[in-house]
Amino acid sequence: GQNIDQPTEMTATEGAIVQINCTYQTSGFNGLFWYQQHAGEAPTFLSYNVLDGLEEKGRFSSFLSRSKGYSYLLLKELQMKDSASYLCAVRDGDYKLSFGAGTTVTVRA
Amino acid sequence: IAGITQAPTSQILAAGRRMTLRCTQDMRHNAMYWYRQDLGLGLRLIHYSNTAGTTGKGEVPDGYSVSRANTDDFPLTLASAVPSQTSVYFCASSELGAEDTQYFGPGTRLTVL
Repeated sequence: GQNIDQPTEMTATEGAIVQINCTYQTSGFNGLFWYQQHAGEAPTFLSYNVLDGLEEKGRFSSFLSRSKGYSYLLLKELQMKDSASYLCAVRDGDYKLSFGAGTTVTVRA
Repeated sequence: IAGITQAPTSQILAAGRRMTLRCTQDMRHNAMYWYRQDLGLGLRLIHYSNTAGTTGKGEVPDGYSVSRANTDDFPLTLASAVPSQTSVYFCASSELGAEDTQYFGPGTRLTVL
């Protein structure tokens, strides 16, 4: 099975940077995903890491260390529209995803 | 249709009733999934199907059944609904390649009284 931990809530100011950490213990690893979910909506894909290191996509970056069972999502130049839940998910060898409970990020003016 | 759709959008159901949640995708993805999302617990996998004609159990399959008669449709059935099945249900689909992500439908909000 999978055990995935991430903080419940984070608050940051518009224009700032926020880092959301995710730690995992898995019986199999075939990639780590980050999703964004606005209230009342479906999750949408943000990033994918399968090798160690940093993946950058505009204002969002994701980092993975497989040996430490650790990832983070970095949100830069925060905007009000970034207020959402961010879900860390680990994929196993059968292409099934296990999700953390999600981190709710609130961006304040 | 573009992407993945679910029906109904929301439903209130009496305990003991049978209910089928519908999911259809037009992306010709091999794999489809059903999740439930509850506050504080995140998304939990109920059932999945890696290809038409096959299904598998996820983390919380009890009380639910699925079928995959063709590539596009993946209905989820609650044979006899109970209040603990009150949740938001999301259907998702994906290819099975290394970088393929899952795409989620808009969700069905189900309340069992």
